[in-house]
Amino acid sequence: EAGVAQSPRYKIIEKRQSVAFWCNPISGHATLYWYQQILGQGPKLLIQFQNNGVVDDSQLPKDRFSAERLKGVDSTLKIQPAKLEDSAVYLCASSKGTRNYNEQFFGPGTRLTVL
Amino acid sequence: GNSVTQMEGPVTLSEEAFLTINCTYTATGYPSLFWYVQYPGEGLQLLLKATKADDKGSNKGFEATYRKETTSFHLEKGSVQVSDSAVYFCALISGGTGNQFYFGTGTSLTVIP
Repeated sequence: EAGVAQSPRYKIIEKRQSVAFWCNPISGHATLYWYQQILGQGPKLLIQFQNNGVVDDSQLPKDRFSAERLKGVDSTLKIQPAKLEDSAVYLCASSKGTRNYNEQFFGPGTRLTVL
Repeated sequence: GNSVTQMEGPVTLSEEAFLTINCTYTATGYPSLFWYVQYPGEGLQLLLKATKADDKGSNKGFEATYRKETTSFHLEKGSVQVSDSAVYFCALISGGTGNQFYFGTGTSLTVIP
């Protein structure tokens, strides 16, 4: 079974530029998550999708971050414009459902450096 | 609210030493508890989980018991190997639907030969 795919693995941009990350979840997984992991901290949920609908985006900085999952499969996360404090690893995860016993499977992450 | 507190690292142990990484939690409802591991250059992987009080999760020689009375889920291994060097994250999912994870800050473990 293929895992969660993410690209790119690394990205370096200057502040005020835009950047987009892509995620392809495990086939058949209805729920998709984007997390932000700042160095030295645990992952923090940014947004959760169930199929192509948003379940929770309460911690997404909506003035600069956006995410979509138009066909209920792969997803993109965008930052526009980027700030220095956005430097982090952006993790995508997927699970079969939303019950609290459903394991989340994580991708390798995209490491973003904002200069 | 929901939160997870882990012991701070880094932790350095010699091979075959006993490992304990402390984890305590605060949660509403009846959470499920998890330990995830992140090997260098790789994504987070589920190590073990427990979904109700007194359950013991175990995998690859690691164990953790869901203690409701002490709100703890400490990770233990009797004899660590060099290959166990990684960052370990304790996490919980709040009770009910939504499946939002709350992660601890992670504990870095280095095992030396």
